[in-house]
Amino acid sequence: KNEVEQSPQNLTAQEGEFITINCSYSVGISALHWLQQHPGGGIVSLFMLSSGKKKHGRLIATINIQEKHSSLHITASHPRDSAVYICAVEGGQNFVFGPGTRLSVLP
Amino acid sequence: EPEVTQTPSHQVTQMGQEVILRCVPISNHLYFYWYRQILGQKVEFLVSFYNNEISEKSEIFDDQFSVERPDGSNFTLKIRSTKLEDSAMYFCASSEGAAGGRGETQYFGPGTRLLVL
Repeated sequence: KNEVEQSPQNLTAQEGEFITINCSYSVGISALHWLQQHPGGGIVSLFMLSSGKKKHGRLIATINIQEKHSSLHITASHPRDSAVYICAVEGGQNFVFGPGTRLSVLP
Repeated sequence: EPEVTQTPSHQVTQMGQEVILRCVPISNHLYFYWYRQILGQKVEFLVSFYNNEISEKSEIFDDQFSVERPDGSNFTLKIRSTKLEDSAMYFCASSEGAAGGRGETQYFGPGTRLLVL
């Protein structure tokens, strides 16, 4: 079974800071998803990656298939970025979710 | 912008009762999913559904659970005899894609919070 870990577990940043959230997994996958869960519980899909790098606005996601590692970067962070960021992988064991990283961006 | 909807937003039920959670996926999507999140824990995959049949399911999705697409627009999750530990937020999601089109972006509904007493 794929084990998905995220670091850090909690992160507090000042507005404007560059943020990195890491995800590692134990077994090869077909795709990796980054999700954002708002304080109210709603989930939004940010990225789906199978290789390389993707960028959307201030968000950048990278994946290293050989290292079994992905990172989510947020440039010029803003208080509205405060949420739980979840890494999820799909492969032979369906979807396996990481525990999430709780991000708080202070004004 | 099209979105996935779920009803009800909250449901309270007695242990042993049957519940049906409803989802309306985005209309041109072909893959459908149910997930659950027990309070304070991580999201867990339950089941995926394509072409009117289950394509994959987790070990959580036992005989107490079933899914159905009764009318071409709704996608339902039924729990036959609820247990206390079924209390969770249940999320429906859908994605585009033809057969074998895994790895597509998924669009999540707002969730149904189920409380079993």
